[in-house]
Amino acid sequence: AQTVTQSQPEMSVQEAETVTLSCTYDTSENNYYLFWYKQPPSRQMILVIRQEAYKQQNATENRFSVNFQKAAKSFSLKISDSQLGDTAMYFCAFSEYGNKLVFGAGTILRVKS
Amino acid sequence: DTGVSQDPRHKITKRGQNVTFRCDPISEHNRLYWYRQTLGQGPEFLTYFQNEAQLEKSRLLSDRFSAERPKGSFSTLEIQRTEQGDSAMYLCASSLVLQGFNEQYFGPGTRLTVT
Repeated sequence: AQTVTQSQPEMSVQEAETVTLSCTYDTSENNYYLFWYKQPPSRQMILVIRQEAYKQQNATENRFSVNFQKAAKSFSLKISDSQLGDTAMYFCAFSEYGNKLVFGAGTILRVKS
Repeated sequence: DTGVSQDPRHKITKRGQNVTFRCDPISEHNRLYWYRQTLGQGPEFLTYFQNEAQLEKSRLLSDRFSAERPKGSFSTLEIQRTEQGDSAMYLCASSLVLQGFNEQYFGPGTRLTVT
């Protein structure tokens, strides 16, 4: 069974600085998808960024980028120029064949002014 | 596009009672998922439908849980004889399956408290 591990329960960062959230996963599959989801306090979960395992190039979405290391089964999220609105719980998730999502336990990110 | 909606948003019930939650997916989405999220944890998959067919159920989905998606539109999740351990946020997500990846859009969730 696939598992996703987020080893940082909480992180904090100053506004405008850069922060990296870590994620490792375990799978025997070769083709899969990886995601970072954001869940703001009392609001619904939204997709931040996704990575297809067959693509070597790391995904980037504006201030959000990933460092995908397939051999190491590592998938970290870098947030540049952090903003107060980035304060949220961040979940790393895995999907095989684009079906059900397997989530990590999450990392609470607090952006401080 | 009004997004995924869930009703009710909050439900308080006594142990042993039955509860039913509803999820309305984004209108053209053919796939619908249910997840359960306990406090401080990531969501856990419960089941999913493609149109009206239930394609997969998690071992977490005991025989007290049943889900339906009649006519391939909205879905209901029923919990019979609720237990305190059922207290959680129940999340619904929908997606449009075309080829390969399908992005799941989440609803706001139904928070269940069993007293």
